[in-house]
Amino acid sequence: QKEVEQDPGPLSVPEGAIVSLNCTYSNSAFQYFMWYRQYSRKGPELLMYTYSSGNKEDGRFTAQVDKSSKYISLFIRDSQPSDSATYLCAMNHTGNQFYFGTGTSLTVIP
Amino acid sequence: NAGVTQTPKFQVLKTGQSMTLQCAQDMNHNSMYWYRQDPGMGLRLIYYSASEGTTDKGEVPNGYNVSRLNKREFSLRLESAAPSQTSVYFCASRPYGGYTGELFFGEGSRLTVL
Repeated sequence: QKEVEQDPGPLSVPEGAIVSLNCTYSNSAFQYFMWYRQYSRKGPELLMYTYSSGNKEDGRFTAQVDKSSKYISLFIRDSQPSDSATYLCAMNHTGNQFYFGTGTSLTVIP
Repeated sequence: NAGVTQTPKFQVLKTGQSMTLQCAQDMNHNSMYWYRQDPGMGLRLIYYSASEGTTDKGEVPNGYNVSRLNKREFSLRLESAAPSQTSVYFCASRPYGGYTGELFFGEGSRLTVL
C-alpha cells in the first residue's frame, strides 16, 4: 500500500466551479500537510501548508486536514482557467523525507 | 533571484552512457533533494542531503550517485544509464529548520535513455 493515495483524474470543470481535490494516507505520524501546484513543464510550487488537523484558507483556496480519517482536501472556489495545473499533495513527519501523491490533473474550461 | 537552477534541461543518452545532472541554489538552504517524476508514479525521492557533507538514500537510489559539492550545489550522476531511468528529474532545496515543509523546486531536467 502506498503511503499517500491521490486520484489522478483528470478533472475538468467549467470556470467558476468549486473544485475539490483529495488525498488519503496511511501513516498516522504525518504532521505536515502540503499542496503543491505544478504547471505543465514546470517544477512544483507550494500552494498551501497545514500543520496537524484543521482548516486553512488563502484567498480562493482552502486546505482541510482530518487526521482521524487520514484524509486531506483542497478546495478551490470560483475556479479560473489559470488554475489549470496538476495538484500534488505531500506530507511529512519530523524528518527530511516528503511523501507525495501522484497528482491530480485539473482543467478549468473558460 | 534564480532560486534552484538545474542543468541540462534536456538530455538524450544511449544505454550505458553516463552523465551528471547539476543543481545549484542561491537561497542559502541547507537541505537539497533529487526526485524523479514518472507518469502515474508521482515524485519519488532518489537521494537527499540534509546538510553540507551528508547524503542519504531515498526511495529509489539504485543506479544513481550524488555529490554535495558545497552548500549551493548537489549533483546527480547516472553511471550507466538504462531505459528505466527515462524520466523528469527535479532538484529541490529546503531551508534548515524551516517551520514549513516547503520545498523549492527547479524546473526539471528531462532525460531520455534510448
